[in-house]
Amino acid sequence: RKEVEQDPGPFNVPEGATVAFNCTYSNSASQSFFWYRQDCRKEPKLLMSVYSSGNEDGRFTAQLNRASQYISLLIRDSKLSDSATYLCVVKRDSSYKLIFGSGTRLLVRP
Amino acid sequence: GAVVSQHPSWVICKSGTSVKIECRSLDFQATTMFWYRQFPKQSLMLMATSNEGSKATYEQGVEKDKFLINHASLTLSTLTVTSAHPEDSSFYICSARDQTAGWAGVGDTQYFGPGTRLTVL
Repeated sequence: RKEVEQDPGPFNVPEGATVAFNCTYSNSASQSFFWYRQDCRKEPKLLMSVYSSGNEDGRFTAQLNRASQYISLLIRDSKLSDSATYLCVVKRDSSYKLIFGSGTRLLVRP
Repeated sequence: GAVVSQHPSWVICKSGTSVKIECRSLDFQATTMFWYRQFPKQSLMLMATSNEGSKATYEQGVEKDKFLINHASLTLSTLTVTSAHPEDSSFYICSARDQTAGWAGVGDTQYFGPGTRLTVL
């Protein structure tokens, strides 16, 4: 079993739609959680950190459920430019290591 | 913001040759850098942690004699793929941790380079 699991998608949605991505992690010692965005043939870029209380950044909302070891990302009012692969990332305890999920691909159509 | 560069951005080589990839932190010092590999439609997989002035720490299953890592300064780490074979063809990405970020607590982030696409013929 992978340490970080994501639905690979693709999610194909029209502009303006709301879309949600889910992620589960298996290591209960994980302390930090992130969503990264990766465009085709590019490096991953940090989208947002995920905090226990949930956090929002514009059209993006991230939620963390430690009891269920579950992380989510909600994108409202999807834009064409949101088309990318979204990576769920977990950092183990006090290590610097980042563990990446395989990513969920989003396609936003006109 | 913190910038990490990689060179070359892409390389094509013949089977059996060695390829060196450079990772540089341009505006900060990085005592720790990381090397990842990503195959098509797969996740980034950590290969090794590169520590300035000491030996790299390799992840399980990564051959240290094949993937040579050198971190000779606070701004440069190199990955050499020795005797490359077609199965080594992949997207290699480095990241660097800003040493002023302190302990790797919540919110600590890594800065990624743009990646190097290696194709071995």
